[in-house]
Amino acid sequence: EILMTQSPATLSVSPGERAALSCRASQFIHNNLAWYQQKPGQAPRLLISGASTRATGIPGRFSGSGSGTEFTLTIDSLQSEDFAMYYCQQYKDWPATFGQGTKVDIK
Amino acid sequence: VQLQGSGPGLVKPSGTLSLTCAVSGYSISSDYYWGWIRQSPGKRLEWLGSIYHTGSTYYNPSLNSRVTMSVDMSNNQFSLKLTSVIAADTGRYYCMVATTGDNVFDFWGQGILVTVSS
Repeated sequence: EILMTQSPATLSVSPGERAALSCRASQFIHNNLAWYQQKPGQAPRLLISGASTRATGIPGRFSGSGSGTEFTLTIDSLQSEDFAMYYCQQYKDWPATFGQGTKVDIK
Repeated sequence: VQLQGSGPGLVKPSGTLSLTCAVSGYSISSDYYWGWIRQSPGKRLEWLGSIYHTGSTYYNPSLNSRVTMSVDMSNNQFSLKLTSVIAADTGRYYCMVATTGDNVFDFWGQGILVTVSS
């Protein structure tokens, strides 16, 4: 199965700053990558699919980029509600697999 | 769409974990994939499997044939059964739906915490 590796494990950012989260796939996955946000006590929420397409209702400060094996989730001007865990997930091959997550916390 | 999972929070080792997810806002016969993902302590999110409204199923090979999913059209819900459970099966189980024909999980239920313990 495809191994997804996220970095860093924790990212400390001040409100209003930009955060860049990385995700690497162990094999070529084209643009078959999704990003999810999870807050404590909640289910994950889809942010982005197709590596760069925001899901319905997701603010424009969230953007995704990359293709192949290297991907980035960028959050511009972090708001208080953005401090959470973020997971990437590949859906190029079965089974779908997730990264271990990046925690974005307040600096 | 709203997904409401239910089921026992405690299962004995070697027993069977059985969960149900009630769907509202969509018909279970819609052209979507319905499924389950779990989040165990210290582990990554793990896709367990998906089922199409026709009954076609897709399971994670890591579960070694312990998993079965089914659809109940009359009650607009779908179910998960995991047999021969062990402590490592402890975790929060989320039901979800993929609406675009690939494994992008658009909507998730609130999650059910299941503990495997005697």
